[in-house]
Amino acid sequence: AQSVSQHNHHVILSEAASLELGCNYSYGGTVNLFWYVQYPGQHLQLLLKYFSGDPLVKGIKGFEAEFIKSKFSFNLRKPSVQWSDTAEYFCAGSGGSYIPTFGRGTSLIVHP
Amino acid sequence: SQTIHQWPATLVQPVGSPLSLECTVEGTSNPNLYWYRQAAGRGLQLLFYSVGIGQISSEVPQNLSASRPQDRQFILSSKKLLLSDSGFYLCAWNAESGANVLTFGAGSRLTVL
Repeated sequence: AQSVSQHNHHVILSEAASLELGCNYSYGGTVNLFWYVQYPGQHLQLLLKYFSGDPLVKGIKGFEAEFIKSKFSFNLRKPSVQWSDTAEYFCAGSGGSYIPTFGRGTSLIVHP
Repeated sequence: SQTIHQWPATLVQPVGSPLSLECTVEGTSNPNLYWYRQAAGRGLQLLFYSVGIGQISSEVPQNLSASRPQDRQFILSSKKLLLSDSGFYLCAWNAESGANVLTFGAGSRLTVL
């Protein structure tokens, strides 16, 4: 079955620390991958996406993710987090059916 | 521009009562529509999706049902709520053509007592 898994469910960092959130998928064939973010009290919104081409994709607010096909991974990174990055982060994927499947989410808390 | 509306934002219902959550999309036609449930530590669980009027696919068998009476309207219902139906329900849409970035509504928080 197609699935997306996130390894870190709760992450606590201090400002300026580097961030990497893991995401692995199990899709055969074409895969589209996403990271969504939900800031406290706000809508879930797209952070970045990968459809094809350059495996290193850049999103809003300095986030980036790298698609590594051999590892079935799409990890989210940010070199230096800010307090305003406190949010819940969801990895999602879709294959040929175009129905997105989400991971369990990672709650990130950044201390000032 | 496209917008998505979801209501009510919060709802407190007794066990055994009916439920109706409504979602409408503006500014687009033939959207794919989705209902997700978000539970703490469990991510987003896809409940239903619809690719057209009257076309509903259920992902998880449960006490809920969905209907799409109009192109841009998606309704989540239950005849008799259970305690386990409590949660945060999100409506979302994406384009018919497969550019499948989802746009989410603000969500409806349901508490069943």
